Amino acid sequence: GAVVSQHPSWVICKSGTSVKIECRSLDFQATTMFWYRQFPKQSLMLMATSNEGSKATYEQGVEKDKFLINHASLTLSTLTVTSAHPEDSSFYICSARDQETGRGGGTEAFFGQGTRLTVV
Amino acid sequence: GQNIDQPTEMTATEGAIVQINCTYQTSGFNGLFWYQQHAGEAPTFLSYNVLDGLEEKGRFSSFLSRSKGYSYLLLKELQMKDSASYLCAVTDSNYQLIWGAGTKLIIKP
Repeated sequence: GAVVSQHPSWVICKSGTSVKIECRSLDFQATTMFWYRQFPKQSLMLMATSNEGSKATYEQGVEKDKFLINHASLTLSTLTVTSAHPEDSSFYICSARDQETGRGGGTEAFFGQGTRLTVV
Repeated sequence: GQNIDQPTEMTATEGAIVQINCTYQTSGFNGLFWYQQHAGEAPTFLSYNVLDGLEEKGRFSSFLSRSKGYSYLLLKELQMKDSASYLCAVTDSNYQLIWGAGTKLIIKP
């Protein structure tokens, strides 16, 4: 199946600093990638939809100036958590869809490994 | 609004069978997914249903009834490693994935 690689797997940072998380589709081109946040014992919460070559679409309540998303190529999207605070500590997961037919109807989401962010 | 309901938690015995239900109300329907998620890990794909009926894949089967807005995931011959959260997700008319809150499945020896 398709592979999405997310890096780093975990990161600890100090309050006020910025952290960048990378999401790469390794064997397919992803014009659209999705960024989720998941708090303990809760389901995935979509933060934003990352579109290659254009601005990301943020879900209501997600601060676009705090969570910067860049989708510079068809295989790479980055999420930067700026001026991180302890309440930003969470599990961040990216996913991408292979838009080609034949892969689960073109709608199956392939997930990165996730990034555990801890802000101290 | 869009809504997906599944039980919060279920408990089953090793070797037994368990059925996890999912009901949905979405604006349009373009398929239903089941994902497995172990604690601290990203979800992994289990099944995809877009037509009514039962899809079987080894120990796991998934059923869909579009007229009832209902699906279930059936796990047979349960193993301890099946302890995980199971997420139901529906693709709506805009191909957006709408996620359920997940069902935590606890397997006991």
